Amino acid sequence: GAGVSQSPSNKVTEKGKDVELRCDPISGHTALYWYRQSLGQGLEFLIYFQGNSAPDKSGLPSDRFSAERTGGSVSTLTIQRTQQEDSAVYLCASSLGSGGASYEQYFGPGTRLTVT
Amino acid sequence: ILNVEQSPQSLHVQEGDSTNFTCSFPSSNFYALHWYRWETAKSPEALFVMTLNGDEKKKGRISATLNTKEGYSYLYIKGSQPEDSATYLCARSNNAGNMLTFGGGTRLMVKP
Repeated sequence: GAGVSQSPSNKVTEKGKDVELRCDPISGHTALYWYRQSLGQGLEFLIYFQGNSAPDKSGLPSDRFSAERTGGSVSTLTIQRTQQEDSAVYLCASSLGSGGASYEQYFGPGTRLTVT
Repeated sequence: ILNVEQSPQSLHVQEGDSTNFTCSFPSSNFYALHWYRWETAKSPEALFVMTLNGDEKKKGRISATLNTKEGYSYLYIKGSQPEDSATYLCARSNNAGNMLTFGGGTRLMVKP
C-alpha cells in the first residue's frame, strides 16, 4: 500500500521567502508528526497532530513556523521569512493512533530545504 | 543522561563482520524505545519497538536488547552485508507515546 508521501522532495529558497511543505499520511492514520534534521544534528520533534488538532506546539522552533492539518489527512508545515538556519531535512510520519508503544510511526522520504 | 545518545557516531566494517552499537537514554519514566534504519534518500524504516526491561527482538540478522533500569539498548548485526550500510537511529518515546526523542544515529558502512 501507499506509504507516507511528502512534497516537494527538494526546495531551494531565498532567505526571507515563505515556504510550504506538504505531507500525505498513510490512509486511516489518525496521528501525524513533523520532525527535522539539521546538518550534523539528530532528528528533532516539531509538532504532533491527533486528527486535526495539535495539542502541543512547543517543539516549533519559532513563531515563523506553523502547521495545520485538514480533514484528518494532509498536513502543511509553513515557514515564514525563512532563515539560513531553517535549512534541514523535514520529515513527516504518521501512525494509526497515539499513546501506545504499538503505534509505530511510519516516515515519509522527507523534504530537503535549502535557504540561500 | 538527559538526552538520547548513540555510539559510535560512525563505524566501518568489512563484509561478514558482526557488529554492535549502543543507545543510552534516561532510565526514569521509561515508556518505549524504537530503533530505525535510515538509508540515504529513503524513508527511515522501523526495526523494533521495545518496552520491557530485558526485551530482546530479532529480525533476520539484526537483533536488539533493552535494559531500562540502566538506560541502554544494544543493536547487533550478525554477518554484515553492504546493504546494511545505513544510519541506525534509536528514539525514546515520551510517556504519552506521541513524541520520539532521537539520538544522533550511528552511521554504518559495510565494505564488500
